[in-house]
Amino acid sequence: LAKTTQPISMDSYEGQEVNITCSHNNIATNDYITWYQQFPSQGPRFIIQGYKTKVTNEVASLFIPADRKSSTLSLPRVSLSDTAVYYCLVGDRFKAAGNKLTFGGGTRVLVKP
Amino acid sequence: DSGVTQTPKHLITATGQRVTLRCSPRSGDLSVYWYQQSLDQGLQFLIQYYNGEERAKGNILERFSAQQFPDLHSELNLSSLELGDSALYFCASSAGPGPGSSGNTIYFGEGSWLTVV
Repeated sequence: LAKTTQPISMDSYEGQEVNITCSHNNIATNDYITWYQQFPSQGPRFIIQGYKTKVTNEVASLFIPADRKSSTLSLPRVSLSDTAVYYCLVGDRFKAAGNKLTFGGGTRVLVKP
Repeated sequence: DSGVTQTPKHLITATGQRVTLRCSPRSGDLSVYWYQQSLDQGLQFLIQYYNGEERAKGNILERFSAQQFPDLHSELNLSSLELGDSALYFCASSAGPGPGSSGNTIYFGEGSWLTVV
């Protein structure tokens, strides 16, 4: 799994758009990028996944530049309930070796009223 | 509801004891992953099984062991427990052997809270 780097924390206000960037400089050709959301004392929840360009679903958008060395999770019009830790995970569906399945530190997003 | 079921939800035990955590993956998923999350810490990967065989190993202590049974459920055994083993233990599952690609997303259970006193 490619090592990932994310900001430790971000503050925002209700109604704003939140963009979280994850760096994964050594991403491999077959790696996909997946983002998870975790609330305290709960299991991480799948948000969105992509390989290149842009992916959008009902809760978020994922932007991946052509070189795929980073990705940006965009949360439109956040609410207080979006306060959580967000993790990006980069991996190849066919490979899993060693301790490469460890998530990075995640980004703590605090949405203020 | 992710479809991954973990039992027990909460467990309190004494140091030196042994406990077993159980996980039922989502229907059809062949991979089971175990993670440990201590208070305010990130998710630490412990071990992965795919279709009954160990697939990947993380920073799992020798006091810990796991297995995946023919019906694909998995158990994580924690022995000679220490205070520092107190944590939330997550099980996750995916259809295939690795975490990437559409259709092979890892889905997490709600975790088992272990408190060692």
